[in-house]
Amino acid sequence: KAGVTQTPRYLIKTRGQQVTLSCSPISGHRSVSWYQQTPGQGLQFLFEYFSETQRNKGNFPGRFSGRQFSNSRSEMNVSTLELGDSALYLCASSLSGDSNYIQYFGAGTRLSVL
Amino acid sequence: AQRVTQPEKLLSVFKGAPVELKCNYSYSGSPELFWYVQYSRQRLQLLLRHISRESIKGFTADLNKGETSFHLKKPFAQEEDSAMYYCALGTSGSRLTFGEGTQLTVNP
Repeated sequence: KAGVTQTPRYLIKTRGQQVTLSCSPISGHRSVSWYQQTPGQGLQFLFEYFSETQRNKGNFPGRFSGRQFSNSRSEMNVSTLELGDSALYLCASSLSGDSNYIQYFGAGTRLSVL
Repeated sequence: AQRVTQPEKLLSVFKGAPVELKCNYSYSGSPELFWYVQYSRQRLQLLLRHISRESIKGFTADLNKGETSFHLKKPFAQEEDSAMYYCALGTSGSRLTFGEGTQLTVNP
């Protein structure tokens, strides 16, 4: 089985722009979660989607949004980029939306905001 | 609110020595605890979870609800164990709250 695929791997944007990141989960997985990883804050939960519905949301401003499609692929959008949004964005998929299920992580998208 | 604390950012041991990576959590509900590991240039992956009560690569972790801890232990460290280790708390759905991580270095 192919693993979790995130595209693109690297992005460079300038302040004020918007960006869309993509995540393709493992085949058959219905839950997709997004995390932001920074040296200062570590790994922080952004949101989780299950069957096209956002089920959980972390403490991030409304500039961060996402969606999930019927094939479970997910996108994350960040509008009006700020310098502090520079981070590694990780996506994780699991078979179901139960915390007992193993989450499989992608390699991440590294976003640099200039 | 849930919280995970890993008090050591860096931990260095010699090959063959015992190693213990500490993890404490704060959560009012019934916790689901995990250890994730990230080897150099690899993606984050699950090492073990408390419900499985298994030993993976010689590592074990016991959930102590009284002390709210989930320390990771290995009796004899190997050089290939050098990696970043994250303790994580599962709450609602697939949401994970991670600790800040401990960088383990096993010296020859």
